[in-house]
Amino acid sequence: ETGVTQTPRHLVMGMTNKKSLKCEQHLGHNAMYWYKQSAKKPLELMFVYSLEERVENNSVPSRFSPECPNSSHLFLHLHTLQPEDSALYLCASSPAGGGSSYNEQFFGPGTRLTVL
Amino acid sequence: KQEVTQIPAALSVPEGENLVLNCSFTDSAIYNLQWFRQDPGKGLTSLLLIQSSQREQTSGRLNASLDKSSGRSTLYIAASQPGDSATYLCAVRTDSGYALNFGKGTSLLVTP
Repeated sequence: ETGVTQTPRHLVMGMTNKKSLKCEQHLGHNAMYWYKQSAKKPLELMFVYSLEERVENNSVPSRFSPECPNSSHLFLHLHTLQPEDSALYLCASSPAGGGSSYNEQFFGPGTRLTVL
Repeated sequence: KQEVTQIPAALSVPEGENLVLNCSFTDSAIYNLQWFRQDPGKGLTSLLLIQSSQREQTSGRLNASLDKSSGRSTLYIAASQPGDSATYLCAVRTDSGYALNFGKGTSLLVTP
């Protein structure tokens, strides 16, 4: 595997379910990100981890819970979601976190989430 | 708050044409600007990254320019091909924080 991978690629869940999205990067990067892409809206940053510490949390509802056990893996735990949470969830990684201008972000293919 | 606008929202051109996609941003205090390509239902592919100190970057048929003072960037695609059909996203990283601020994208269709 190379680059940034995400599983599952598609997920359908009910509002009472609990599920997790997984992201893995094989690039040796130190920062990882979760973004949400809804129809007709720009990508929105949800969470940022740098060296396994959460450094940014953009007012995301508590029904989304991130976890970064090491610098290669990032999870997004989902519980009691709403239909409006249906979107494409994208994971990204970059060599370093904030403070560096040489910080190209590389994206995974995304998980298409549908909440019924 | 950084606002990123992309014009046009959609564009259809015949194969072989040269074209320009526009991106504007409201806060000129940026670290860098990145252009991405997104195919339907897929993730983002990074095309070009321009640092705040640079004026342009080139990769193959793509050339991106940056005018920080006026808050603008353009992506020039030479000799367009049907395989270039995708949504092109502009994203700006500001001095404050880790986030990339994205525009809504330009949906490009290149017809044979």
